[in-house]
Amino acid sequence: EVQLVESAGGLVQPGRSLRLSCTASGFTFGDYAMSWVRQAPGKGLEWLGFIRRKPYGGTTEYAASVEGRFTISRDDSKRIAYLEMSSLKIEDTAMYYCARVAVRRGSVGLDYWGQGTLVTVSS
Amino acid sequence: DIQMTQSPSSVSASVGDRVTITCRASQGISSWLAWYQQKPGKAPKLLIYAASSLQSGVPSRFNGSGSGSDFTLTISSLQPEDFATYYCQQANTFLKLTFGGGTKVEIK
Repeated sequence: EVQLVESAGGLVQPGRSLRLSCTASGFTFGDYAMSWVRQAPGKGLEWLGFIRRKPYGGTTEYAASVEGRFTISRDDSKRIAYLEMSSLKIEDTAMYYCARVAVRRGSVGLDYWGQGTLVTVSS
Repeated sequence: DIQMTQSPSSVSASVGDRVTITCRASQGISSWLAWYQQKPGKAPKLLIYAASSLQSGVPSRFNGSGSGSDFTLTISSLQPEDFATYYCQQANTFLKLTFGGGTKVEIK
């Protein structure tokens, strides 16, 4: 069974940093790109970025809204994807989800999701 | 960046109704579109990928169509468990991904 489990988020002060992790099980982690998505309270989904698998260079893509502040990385030996968030702002308050990226017929779909972890940015 | 516009933002319907949600891309995206269902307090669930391919385990009453810049998600006969919010997402292996604003399907 595919499972993705995010680490606990929590309360963080504006301007501080926080690293989230996403631990995978039930599939060959290195065979998939991984993505992060967030959802502010009462709002829609916002794609944050993804990290390709190693055969594709393990390169990353980010949404313009977070590029330069957020960094996605992966440790295939530990089956973990990370989201490092810096210079956090109040508007970064959201539920953060990791998701597995499936590429089929040239199209990208996020086929498995974690349960989400709440990050609250407040002084 | 590619912008995705969904309509309507909400729809009220009854069990058994046919419901159609549209999604328009700001530029052509071929068939690189996915649809998701999200229930309150839950993670999204992939329904459709590549515009019209049904994800494994998803009921056949869900149908996706379209290509280029105009896409449609149709629920042929709405069931009680289908009341949720639906999102489209443009999906391409090289471009940045973008979600639509969502369509809430509510009980009439």
